[in-house]
Amino acid sequence: DAMVIQNPRYQVTQFGKPVTLSCSQTLNHNVMYWYQQKSSQAPKLLFHYYDKDFNNEADTPDNFQSRRPNTSFCFLDIRSPGLGDAAMYLCATSTWGGAAPWVSTDTQYFGPGTRLTVL
Amino acid sequence: RKEVEQDPGPFNVPEGATVAFNCTYSNSASQSFFWYRQDCRKEPKLLMSVYSSGNEDGRFTAQLNRASQYISLLIRDSKLSDSATYLCVVNPRSGGYQKVTFGIGTKLQVIP
Repeated sequence: DAMVIQNPRYQVTQFGKPVTLSCSQTLNHNVMYWYQQKSSQAPKLLFHYYDKDFNNEADTPDNFQSRRPNTSFCFLDIRSPGLGDAAMYLCATSTWGGAAPWVSTDTQYFGPGTRLTVL
Repeated sequence: RKEVEQDPGPFNVPEGATVAFNCTYSNSASQSFFWYRQDCRKEPKLLMSVYSSGNEDGRFTAQLNRASQYISLLIRDSKLSDSATYLCVVNPRSGGYQKVTFGIGTKLQVIP
């Protein structure tokens, strides 16, 4: 089945130790998103890619970086995790048709998330 | 005013009851609306899309009121398995991508 996969599902890191979270998708969607969700809060968009075009949210800390080497994969790098970065990180995908809006998917498809613990 | 506002609850209802949630949005140009369901410590999953005047899927009915800028979700004959957080999601269609805004979610607990 086509899907969005996130690895690892659970990640424990130490304060200040870099960590990379990965997301892969078999949906062939051209838009990929990274969200941060803390307990009892709404998912907060960190950044998204439209194809290789990177779009950072204005309030996303510099500590967070992302890479999208190809359509299928997207990585979230946290360069120096702090205690406040402990959260669930959600990857999502959708398709935007651009000049052909009828091929757009209006909804987003989420991966299962990676729960990050910072010690 | 928040872009998308929801009552976080919790709503505690007995099994079999009917429960309704509202969600208000501030951007009058918003085009698409959704309800997602999120179980504890899991990812959000699409429950329903809400277009034009609303739609129904089994026990679930979603309504859109553009004049008052709110959407609603009605759950009839609540089941224990309906216990979850229901996220209201709004797509303003700005920038051309599906850069949506999530509400904080309304927590529903169905009690035996």
